Amino acid sequence: EPEVTQTPSHQVTQMGQEVILRCVPISNHLYFYWYRQILGQKVEFLVSFYNNEISEKSEIFDDQFSVERPDGSNFTLKIRSTKLEDSAMYFCASRQGLAKTYEQYFGPGTRLTVT
Amino acid sequence: AQSVTQLDSHVSVSEGTPVLLRCNYSSSYSPSLFWYVQHPNKGLQLLLKYTSAATLVKGINGFEAEFKKSETSFHLTKPSAHMSDAAEYFCVVSPPSTPLVFGKGTRLSVIA
Repeated sequence: EPEVTQTPSHQVTQMGQEVILRCVPISNHLYFYWYRQILGQKVEFLVSFYNNEISEKSEIFDDQFSVERPDGSNFTLKIRSTKLEDSAMYFCASRQGLAKTYEQYFGPGTRLTVT
Repeated sequence: AQSVTQLDSHVSVSEGTPVLLRCNYSSSYSPSLFWYVQHPNKGLQLLLKYTSAATLVKGINGFEAEFKKSETSFHLTKPSAHMSDAAEYFCVVSPPSTPLVFGKGTRLSVIA
């Protein structure tokens, strides 16, 4: 069964450094998402992406964040200058369409630790 | 605005006994509702979904949920818990064409 993959599974970085989290969505999916889950808190929406542009973003997704689909298969989340409060589990998701019958498929997550 | 309230942060049951994980939602629209499960070090797996068809929805691994509009509830049940059901469960609401809104999660423990 096709699945969403994410790399790395765990990333440790120092405050102020740039990180790139990578995702490979399911191949025939058209809508892509990033969510994050700070330890002990709920999963929160960050951004959605369609047709090579951001379609929606939350207030969490400030200028420090960016997304890109560089090569038609990868979908990346970049944090330019990490802060301690960026430490969280980051989930990528993809969806074939927007109709109710289409669900979001989630990757296993990348645990980001900022020290 | 859309929101989800999972009434219990932790539920503990004995193996072989019924499971009830409670979820209430708030939505201005006719939402889709989901239950996702997260096993340790794994991604979020869809258990079941409600998309305005039958109000009683059957999912994987013997789970089911009933959409009750009058109570704005979407509780998850299973007749008999198995050790492998121990995980974190998320109730999720999705208004049309917008991102998912997650509840805080309920950790299910199953005691042998």
